[in-house]
Amino acid sequence: AQSVTQPDIHITVSEGASLELRCNYSYGATPYLFWYVQSPGQGLQLLLKYFSGDTLVQGIKGFEAEFKRSQSSFNLRKPSVHWSDAAEYFCAVGENDYKLSFGAGTTVTVRA
Amino acid sequence: KAGVTQTPRYLIKTRGQQVTLSCSPISGHRSVSWYQQTPGQGLQFLFEYFSETQRNKGNFPGRFSGRQFSNSRSEMNVSTLELGDSALYLCASSQDRVDTEAFFGQGTRLTVV
Repeated sequence: AQSVTQPDIHITVSEGASLELRCNYSYGATPYLFWYVQSPGQGLQLLLKYFSGDTLVQGIKGFEAEFKRSQSSFNLRKPSVHWSDAAEYFCAVGENDYKLSFGAGTTVTVRA
Repeated sequence: KAGVTQTPRYLIKTRGQQVTLSCSPISGHRSVSWYQQTPGQGLQFLFEYFSETQRNKGNFPGRFSGRQFSNSRSEMNVSTLELGDSALYLCASSQDRVDTEAFFGQGTRLTVV
């Protein structure tokens, strides 16, 4: 069975600073990879996804992620965070079994 | 285009009761899946339906069941509620399969007392 690891439970970053959230997965082939964001009490919003091709993918809200097969990683980045980026971020994997497997999530706090 | 609609948004039930949650997918989407989110277990897959057929099911007891109607709307039912069933239940819809792209609703917050 596949697994998704988000090593950082909580990250605090200053407004305007860069942000990188880590995600590692274990799966034999290249899975479908996703990043979702969840604001308190809300559902999940898709930030970006990777299926194949260019390993650097652009998403909404200025986020990007890079797929590195050799490291089984799919890290999310944003060059300059805004206070509105404070939320919980989930990495997810789909592997052709009609479901998504999620990491435990990383909570991002943005300080002024 | 309307998003995924889940009703009700909030629900309080007593232990031992049963509950039914509803999900209306995005128009044209035929796949609906359900997830349970708790602080301790995170996001866990419950089941997925496509054209009224369950294609996958997670590791939950038989008290958790679901169904999908011909208009793609889905319901999930939890019988004999336990305190541990308190969670945010999220529904996701996609055109064909959730593991290629999924859009989530805002969830139903179930509290069992």
